[in-house]
Amino acid sequence: TQLLEQSPQFLSIQEGENLTVYCNSSSVFSSLQWYRQEPGEGPVLLVTVVTGGEVKKLKRLTFQFGDARKDSSLHITAAQPGDTGLYLCAGLNYGQNFVFGPGTRLSVLP
Amino acid sequence: GAVVSQHPSRVICKSGTSVKIECRSLDFQATTMFWYRQFPKQSLMLMATSNEGSKATYEQGVEKDKFLINHASLTLSTLTVTSAHPEDSSFYICSARNTGLPPTSGQYFGPGTRLTVT
Repeated sequence: TQLLEQSPQFLSIQEGENLTVYCNSSSVFSSLQWYRQEPGEGPVLLVTVVTGGEVKKLKRLTFQFGDARKDSSLHITAAQPGDTGLYLCAGLNYGQNFVFGPGTRLSVLP
Repeated sequence: GAVVSQHPSRVICKSGTSVKIECRSLDFQATTMFWYRQFPKQSLMLMATSNEGSKATYEQGVEKDKFLINHASLTLSTLTVTSAHPEDSSFYICSARNTGLPPTSGQYFGPGTRLTVT
């Protein structure tokens, strides 16, 4: 069974701080996606990373896919209250099935 | 982009009645759609995988006779909660798989349906 772990599970920080969320697995994925979900809404796709070692930037968010394609990180610079939400990573395995992590719940306090 | 819609966004029904939730992929065809349930402050729990033209695959512990899934076309899947009870109250989210090449490939979620059974 393929599992994705995310850490930390919960994170509460002050506006302006930086943070990193991790997504780890013992399995190799062909690609990995990050989503953000706000209360009462469906998850919204933030980014897809495909190549081992790939780094993608989306404004203040930086996503990295591990060289071995087993892990990924999401770094947020100067967090804002609007960044509050549940961050989910999902890996696409070679059987074309998505595996979701349990999520990291981020709260950014003004 | 890839857009997935759900209808209704909120529904309140009486115990014992049935409720149908629709999930549509608006700008791509999806042979596979997924139905999730989410409890407050928790992650998504996969209920079933809906395959166009064939029977859905249910996760362990999910009653297929209670949660009826129909995937009659490449853009529409429906989830019917039959004989609803208050414990079925939850946030139901569908997603559709876009099998195109990256970066458009991936799983895209609908906005969710809040079901309240009174």
